Amino acid sequence: EPEVTQTPSHQVTQMGQEVILRCVPISNHLYFYWYRQILGQKVEFLVSFYNNEISEKSEIFDDQFSVERPDGSNFTLKIRSTKLEDSAMYFCASSAVSTEAFFGQGTRLTVV
Amino acid sequence: AQSVTQLGSHVSVSEGALVLLRCNYSSSVPPYLFWYVQYPNQGLQLLLKYTSAATLVKGINGFEAEFKKSETSFHLTKPSAHMSDAAEYFCAVSGSFQKLVFGTGTRLLVSP
Repeated sequence: EPEVTQTPSHQVTQMGQEVILRCVPISNHLYFYWYRQILGQKVEFLVSFYNNEISEKSEIFDDQFSVERPDGSNFTLKIRSTKLEDSAMYFCASSAVSTEAFFGQGTRLTVV
Repeated sequence: AQSVTQLGSHVSVSEGALVLLRCNYSSSVPPYLFWYVQYPNQGLQLLLKYTSAATLVKGINGFEAEFKKSETSFHLTKPSAHMSDAAEYFCAVSGSFQKLVFGTGTRLLVSP
């Protein structure tokens, strides 16, 4: 069964450092998303991406965040200068047209 | 704007008992509604979805949910709980299939 793959599963980074979270969406999907879940809180939408551009973003997705689809398979989330409050589980998801989103296993980001 | 309210951050049942997890939604457009399950240290797995077809939706693992427009509810039920059902359950709403808005989650505890 096709699945969304995220790497790494856990990343520890120092405050102020740049971090890139990687995702391989399901191959025939066209919509890509990032969500995050701060420990003990609900899952929050960050950004959606379609046709090589951001289609929607939340208030959380400020200038320190960026997304990219550098090739035909990867979808990345970059955080330029990490803060302690960026510590969370980050989920990548993808969907085809008019289908539900399929989520990856998540990357746990710990900022120290 | 869309939102979801999940009543009860924790629900405890005995093995074999009825499971009822409550979800109420608010949506300015006809909603798509979803239930996702998250097992410890894992990603989000789709249990079932409502997409304006049948109001009673059957999902995986014996779960089902009924869309009640008059009550703006989409409660999740299972006739007989198993130990393996212990997990966190998230209700989500969307105006399309993009940008899910999640509830705060309900942790289901199943005792022998």
